Formats: sequence, C-alpha cells, structure tokens
Amino acid sequence: QLQLQESGPGLVKPSETLSLTCTVSGGSISNSRYYWGWIRQPPGKGLEWIGTIYYTGSTYYNPSLKSRVTMSLDTSKNQFSLKMSSMTAADTTVYYCARLRSGNYYEPYSFDSWGQGILVTVSS
Amino acid sequence: QSVLTQPPSVSGAPGQRVTISCTGSSSNIGAGYDVHWYQQFPGTAPKALIYGNSNRPSGVPDRFSGSKSGTSASLAITGLQAEDEADYYCQSYDSSLSASGDVVFGGGTKVTVL
Repeated sequence: QLQLQESGPGLVKPSETLSLTCTVSGGSISNSRYYWGWIRQPPGKGLEWIGTIYYTGSTYYNPSLKSRVTMSLDTSKNQFSLKMSSMTAADTTVYYCARLRSGNYYEPYSFDSWGQGILVTVSS
Repeated sequence: QSVLTQPPSVSGAPGQRVTISCTGSSSNIGAGYDVHWYQQFPGTAPKALIYGNSNRPSGVPDRFSGSKSGTSASLAITGLQAEDEADYYCQSYDSSLSASGDVVFGGGTKVTVL
C-alpha cells in the first residue's frame, strides 16, 4: 500500500528557505505511470497547487509561486523534495505531498494518494 | 479567488440528494480537461473521490457520482449520510498561463447533514 510522509521543519523564519521532503513507501517514484506533487492549504481555507515533478525530472510549477519554488527527486531514497524561498507569514500553511496518476497520454492527471500533511509556521 | 467556482456550502437531510457544482471556463473545464473530486474531513488530508469526471476509485461508495458538461461539472451525493459531512473540492487543469496546463482547484464546498 502506497504511503507518503512529509518531513521538514515546523517553523521557518521570515525570508528563509523552506525545505520539505516527501518519503514514498510501497511504490517507486521512478514509475512512469505517476507524477509527484506538492499542495498546500492554509488553516480553514482551500487547496493550492504548488508544483508537480515527473521521474524524468520534468517540473511544472504554479505560475504564482514559480519564482520561489524548486522541486527535485532522489530516486536512491525514493523521495522528492520542495524548496520554497523568501518565506513570509502568508506561507504559513499545511503542506501536502501527493501522487498523481497519469492520463491516457502520460500527462499529469488526478491526485490519487496524499500524505498526512505537515504544518509549517513562518515566524521570527 | 479560485479559478473553479464552488458554492461555499450545501446541506441536506439524511437520505436526500445533494449536488455540488464546479464552474469553470473555456480555458479549463471548457477546454476539455477532466474534473476530479476530493473529500476532506477536518484535520485530515484530502482523499480521492471521483476521477475523470465520473469514475470512482475502489472503495468509494456508489452514492457518489460525478458528471461534466460544457464549462461545469457536478458532484452528486444520493442517500446522504451523516458520515458524508465534509469538505469537497473539484480539481482540473487550466491552460491560460501554461500550455501544459496548471493544476487548479475549486474553493471547496462544505456539506452539512441536517
């Protein structure tokens, strides 16, 4: 059974860079049938897509966050990561990692499995 | 302001049928992108409910159904149960800024069982 687990600091200072890792078990991040993504959700609010990465290293980022976001893969550890720079209080939110199934043409499609989420607070 | 528009809340009595709309535009749902739905209980991660407009993942009760027409999609819950009280989100892709399509979510709808 696929499991995703987010890890990283729960507290980040303003202007610093957030680094989060998602460890995948029960499935390989090198499987060409899937993509891997990050989504965030401020407490009590809706979902916001951050970005998606494929096993080839191809990345897709939310245009509104693109200048601050970098995603990467570590296939040896079956992990993928998120780095978000210039953190502000507005980035205080729960961050989820998730798997996306691919569509008929191997394009990213729907999220089919989610991690439990990690709350990141930005404060000095 | 979400790219996909959902009503903030819907409610119904046990056993009733409720529907949640997800309204988009010609650059997302109307462009042919499929719509997916997620269910989220307080304090937990979203869970896949419907994918590809109308397909249920294994384990999802058949009282949940989805449809898509034009620039909109709908999620219907028939035979509403107390355990269905949760937040529901639609998701699709939008090509207005990226040719490959960006993931977009609706703002979410809270379903209350009266």
